[in-house]
This record gives sequence, C-alpha cells and structure tokens, in this order.
Amino acid sequence: AQSVTQLDSQVPVFEEAPVELRCNYSSSVSVYLFWYVQYPNQGLQLLLKYLSGSTLVKGINGFEAEFNKSQTSFHLRKPSVHISDTAEYFCAVKGGSYIPTFGRGTSLIVHP
Amino acid sequence: DAGVIQSPRHEVTEMGQEVTLRCKPISGHDYLFWYRQTMMRGLELLIYFNNNVPIDDSGMPEDRFSAKMPNASFSTLKIQPSEPRDSAVYFCASRSEDSPQEAFFGQGTRLTVV
Repeated sequence: AQSVTQLDSQVPVFEEAPVELRCNYSSSVSVYLFWYVQYPNQGLQLLLKYLSGSTLVKGINGFEAEFNKSQTSFHLRKPSVHISDTAEYFCAVKGGSYIPTFGRGTSLIVHP
Repeated sequence: DAGVIQSPRHEVTEMGQEVTLRCKPISGHDYLFWYRQTMMRGLELLIYFNNNVPIDDSGMPEDRFSAKMPNASFSTLKIQPSEPRDSAVYFCASRSEDSPQEAFFGQGTRLTVV
C-alpha cells in the first residue's frame, strides 16, 4: 500500500519570497515520486519527477524537489515565486502498482 | 498531438438526469484513467483501462457510474441517475506503456448536479 500526505492545505506567500510545499509518503516498496501543478480551470500538469539517481530534481518554472528516503519526504521548493505560480500543487507516489496515489493538494497563493 | 481532450468542459444538470462525460486520449497511449476531484476527497481514481479493457473499477463509487472504452481513441464516463453529490471535476488522463512514469491529464469536466 502507498499513501501521500501533503501537510499544508494552503500556503500563502508574498511575491519573490521563497516557498516550500511539503510532501511525505509511505510505501512498502521503492517509489517514484511526482509533483503536479493545476492552474485554475485546468488539468494537472507534471512539474517534476524522481525516478532514480540524484535526489535533487529540477523541474519546470524554476521548481525543484529533494527526495529524502530516510524522512520519506519529497518537498517542493522555489527560491522566488511569482504571481503566476498561484495554483494547486499535488504530490504523487507510485510504488508497486501501475497507478500513482495523489495527495490532497496544497493551494499556493502568491500575494503581490 | 492536442493532448487529452475532454468534453464538455462544464455540465450543469438536474438531479436524476443522465450525464455522459467524454474523453479522447493521446494517440498511441495504452492506458486511460478517469479521476474525480472534490474538495472533500481530493483526487480519486475511479477506473482505468489498458488497451481498451477495464482493469480496475474499484474506485467507481456506485452502480450509477459506468465507463466504457469502445476503441483506443474514445472513452465515456456515464452517471445515471445523477445526484447532487456527484458534483465534482472529472479528469481523464492517459499514458503510454513506453513512458509509464508520466500521465497526461485533460482539462477536466466540471459537473454540477442541481
């Protein structure tokens, strides 16, 4: 079985400030990890993924995430956010099954 | 490719009516997924197909929900009869056997049952 916990349902932040969106997972097997972004009235779009290799993964739009196996975490970070980063962010884990399990999502709200 | 295409984008219907949501996956993709997104439950997998065959429908909430994939380029999710609690955004996603680590999502259908 696999599960994902996104610890914050909403993260407000000012423009140009750094942000971290937290994600913890559990799985009995090795995992692949993903972050998706959903802009208003849009579908989910892949931001980045960890499959193997370097634990620091860089994605689109200046986002990056770090896989920490000992802490079973895959937190998403950006050093300086823009208004356009306002969206819903989903962490997902895929272990032995074909299907990823999604977290409940974190709403990133960037204020001017 | 235009990506995963869902229609309609928005649907408002009265309780008791039949609702049909449509999805065209990306050409060549072997897997198709139907998800439902609500504030209360987040993103839930309803059913998925592999090569047009339903593999796992354990996420389908009730017998009122049914899904079909008559060919590789088209799938439907039907709710009959619809109820207000079915109001949600329904997403279709597809992926290729060759690229199993990335699913591509459609823009969703926002269903409102009044």
